[in-house]
Amino acid sequence: DTGVSQDPRHKITKRGQNVTFRCDPISEHNRLYWYRQTLGQGPEFLTYFQNEAQLEKSRLLSDRFSAERPKGSFSTLEIQRTEQGDSAMYLCASSKGTQYFGPGTRLLVL
Amino acid sequence: AQSVTQLGSHVSVSEGALVLLRCNYSSSVPPYLFWYVQYPNQGLQLLLKYTSAATLVKGINGFEAEFKKSETSFHLTKPSAHMSDAAEYFCAVSARGGTASKLTFGTGTRLQVTL
Repeated sequence: DTGVSQDPRHKITKRGQNVTFRCDPISEHNRLYWYRQTLGQGPEFLTYFQNEAQLEKSRLLSDRFSAERPKGSFSTLEIQRTEQGDSAMYLCASSKGTQYFGPGTRLLVL
Repeated sequence: AQSVTQLGSHVSVSEGALVLLRCNYSSSVPPYLFWYVQYPNQGLQLLLKYTSAATLVKGINGFEAEFKKSETSFHLTKPSAHMSDAAEYFCAVSARGGTASKLTFGTGTRLQVTL
């Protein structure tokens, strides 16, 4: 059990560019979650997978955001046409019951 | 729908003093309740969780929390603060099971520990 890993840890991009983040969950965890955390706030739910099926999406997840978990293992979160308001920490968690979080990807959109 | 309110965005205690971080929840169904800790530039680490067994829950690093349904509270305590406890603490709630298992977090309480 090596824990949840996320890549990259930091990303700086220019407004309008596309970015993709990866999350590798704890092996055999069938549930995977994405959250977004802005400065001074608690994490906010974005989306949830059970195996490869995306079962719930928050209204925070605009059309520019897409998440996949193609084989029920790792997941990717893509943001298209980034905006300055997308600057945040993006957290991934995996679960068979209790959610365990990765270290996060900090995104800065200039 | 679930929500949590953390009273006090900043709490400062002396090393060795009691730590009390407050959390009140709102839930239309029986909740699961959690406390997570976040150190700078890191993800969240689970301290403890309430899942309807004992109302007094013991966690890691000497922390504990008591579920009080009548007060809709789940306050976090530690008898004696240590410098290493300085961090951001988040209370979270989820409904039980299935697709409703997403976590709803409070806005966090930053704990400062002074000498």
